[in-house]
Amino acid sequence: GAGVSQSPSNKVTEKGKDVELRCDPISGHTALYWYRQSLGQGLEFLIYFQGNSAPDKSGLPSDRFSAERTGGSVSTLTIQRTQQEDSAVYLCASSRQWDTQYFGPGTRLTVL
Amino acid sequence: AQKITQTQPGMFVQEKEAVTLDCTYDTSDQSYGLFWYKQPSSGEMIFLIYQGSYDEQNATEGRYSLNFQKARKSANLVISASQLGDSAMYFCAMREGRDNYGQNFVFGPGTRLSVLP
Repeated sequence: GAGVSQSPSNKVTEKGKDVELRCDPISGHTALYWYRQSLGQGLEFLIYFQGNSAPDKSGLPSDRFSAERTGGSVSTLTIQRTQQEDSAVYLCASSRQWDTQYFGPGTRLTVL
Repeated sequence: AQKITQTQPGMFVQEKEAVTLDCTYDTSDQSYGLFWYKQPSSGEMIFLIYQGSYDEQNATEGRYSLNFQKARKSANLVISASQLGDSAMYFCAMREGRDNYGQNFVFGPGTRLSVLP
């Protein structure tokens, strides 16, 4: 497809379990961003990848959160030992460097 | 300090009327970009319009226009002839100068627009 895709669209997990969220950016986009959005709130920046450079992890809320981007394309956000406060929509966006970000549909995570 | 301020948490507008959503920003960079996104209840983030700091003309995209006042550091979104489908959250965002590496894209808190029939 032409847009950013994310999977799964919905994820329900139990407290303490690990989850992996996937993002497929638009082909040719070198920059990839992860955001978190709690219900009715704005966007919280998590992590940013640009090409082959070291990612900007300054937004990750705790060491339970990590992300990687393999081959400069697909990215996986991993949350270990999930907590109820991790429940949110996780949005991924991609862009050409310095250009407009285009967002995926998001993954709605619910931690019971 | 907030880099992007949207002072209107909620706005109402009558269908077919025009509405202005406020956005002010704070940057010391000379080169930057300003963006508006729409987020309907479905949750998707939809890019609407872009204004570069060196652009002399205000950006327009269909019914959307950006009222860019550089000296005042404001980038208000104007929606003309509002439609019921315009009801959504609207986010203003800024990408700061290319001299900075790392994440340099910041979003405002959003304005919820409700279009009344």
